This record gives sequence, C-alpha cells and structure tokens, in this order.
Amino acid sequence: EAGVVQSPRYKIIEKKQPVAFWCNPISGHNTLYWYRQNLGQGPELLIRYENEEAVDDSQLPKDRFSAERLKGVDSTLKIQPAELGDSAVYLCASITSGGSYNEQFFGPGTRLTVL
Amino acid sequence: GQNIDQPTEMTATEGAIVQINCTYQTSGFNGLFWYQQHAGEAPTFLSYNVLDGLEEKGRFSSFLSRSKGYSYLLLKELQMKDSASYLCAVRGYSTLTFGKGTMLLVSP
Repeated sequence: EAGVVQSPRYKIIEKKQPVAFWCNPISGHNTLYWYRQNLGQGPELLIRYENEEAVDDSQLPKDRFSAERLKGVDSTLKIQPAELGDSAVYLCASITSGGSYNEQFFGPGTRLTVL
Repeated sequence: GQNIDQPTEMTATEGAIVQINCTYQTSGFNGLFWYQQHAGEAPTFLSYNVLDGLEEKGRFSSFLSRSKGYSYLLLKELQMKDSASYLCAVRGYSTLTFGKGTMLLVSP
C-alpha cells in the first residue's frame, strides 16, 4: 500500500514568490493534516481536514497561507507571497477517522528554502 | 493549550540503555505518542500510551503516568541506527501537539 505522497520534495524560491505543495494521503484516510517543522523543532499543526472540510485552521497564517482539499482526497497548501521565515519542512499526515487510537502516517515532507 | 518538555540532546553508547523523558501539561488528554525521526526524513510511529503503565515493543518501551503528566521512552541494546530525534506528542481532543524532540546520538 502506498504511503502519504508529497511533492515536490525540495523547493527553493526567492522571497515574495508564490509556492505550492501537494499531498496525497493514504487511500481511505479521511483526516489530513499539514504541519510545519522548523529546524530542531517538532512539527506544528497548520491545518486539519476532515474529508473536504477544514475543521481546525486556527494556526494557519491566513494572510499568506491557504489550503484546499476540494474532493476530500488530495490537498494543496499554498504560500503567497513567501517570506524568509517560511523556510521549513512542510509535512502532510493522514489518519482514518473514528476509533480510539489513530496513528498519524507522515509523508516525506517538502523542504522549502526561501532566499 | 499544551506544553510539552523533553531534553534537547542525549548521548549514549552502542549496546547501552537510554531513557528519554517527557513531561506535559495539557487541557485535554487522549493519549501520548512517541515518534522517531531520522535527519531529513518523516516522523515514524514508535508507541502509543493512553493508560498508565508500561508498553513494551521489542527493544523499545514507553511508560505513562497521567497523574504526573509524565512519560518516558526506553531504548535497550542501542544500535548506531537509533541515532535520531525522538518526538513526544500528546493528543488532545483531535490533534497532536509535538514536543521539540530529543536528539539522541549513539556512539560506538
């Protein structure tokens, strides 16, 4: 079974440019997360989707960040315009909904460098 | 909110035992996870505790005390490949909050 797929794996852009990241979760996983991980830190939640609905986007910097999961499957995270401080690894994770124990499966991440 | 504390770095010798501690203060608690993350890679699941006590899985064990807001990850018979960051994460009502991770360096 394929794991969580993310692309691109690496992206280098200049500040003020737009950038987009794509994630395809494990088949059948209703819940999708986007995290940002800075160097030497743990992942920090940006947004959580239940199917196509964003149910927790309180940590998403909405002035420059946006996300969508139109059909409740794959998702895109966008930054426009990017700032130097956005350099980080952007991780996507997914789980099945329901049950008392839900292990999150992470994708390999997209390493963003803003110059 | 959630506050999770774990040591920044630890070192140990191949074949030894190491214990990585994690303390937390949370507004809701629905389990504690430990993840392993090698440099440049995604976190991978190690263990899950929701009730007090010790969960053993091969060379790795995890302990939880909910009343003390405390967990530890115990790694036995350390191998060089165990050099990685170990992330403690607490699940509240629906989301995981991660600690900053403990970088473990295993030397020969």
